[in-house]
Amino acid sequence: EVQLVESGGGLVKPGGSLRLSCAASGFTFSSYSMNWVRQAPGKGLEWVSSISSSSSYIYYADSVKGRFTISRDNAKNSLYLQMNSLRAEDTAVYYCARDPSDFWGQGTLVTVSS
Amino acid sequence: AIRMTQSPSSFSASTGDRVTITCRASQGISSYLAWYQQKPGKAPKLLIYAASTLQSGVPSRFSGSGSGTDFTLTISCLQSEDFATYYCQQYYTYPRTFGQGTKVEIK
Repeated sequence: EVQLVESGGGLVKPGGSLRLSCAASGFTFSSYSMNWVRQAPGKGLEWVSSISSSSSYIYYADSVKGRFTISRDNAKNSLYLQMNSLRAEDTAVYYCARDPSDFWGQGTLVTVSS
Repeated sequence: AIRMTQSPSSFSASTGDRVTITCRASQGISSYLAWYQQKPGKAPKLLIYAASTLQSGVPSRFSGSGSGTDFTLTISCLQSEDFATYYCQQYYTYPRTFGQGTKVEIK
């Protein structure tokens, strides 16, 4: 059974940092590109970042470029999102999803507030 | 970035109704379009990919059509469990963009 479990969310002050993790199981993690998608409270879905299976190709939304870094460790079946210089508008539930977004995690809430 | 525009933003319908949601891309995306269903407090669920291919396990009352810039999601006979918000997403190019969502409510 494919499982994606996010962790690392929480409350952080503006300008702070947070690292999200996504633990994958039930499939060959190293064969798939992975995505981060977020959803602000009461709002729609926003694609954040994607990384190819071997980390050769990485893409970011303009809204997070230069502040967020996506990475993966295929040996640990894990996906990461390092979030720096956080802003109030980054407050959202962050989902990891296997490409082509056929499986999603349950999400982890990031709240940026003083 | 490619803009995805869904219509309507919300509407009310009754169980048994046939409903159609439209998604328009600001430029051609071939058939690189997916549809998702999301219920409150839950992760999105993939319904359709490649514009018209039903994801495994998704009921056949869901169907998708279109290519280029205009796409539709149709639910042939609305069931109680279908009341949710639906999103389209293009994966033709980065940034991958979503429509703003269509909320289907009970009449």
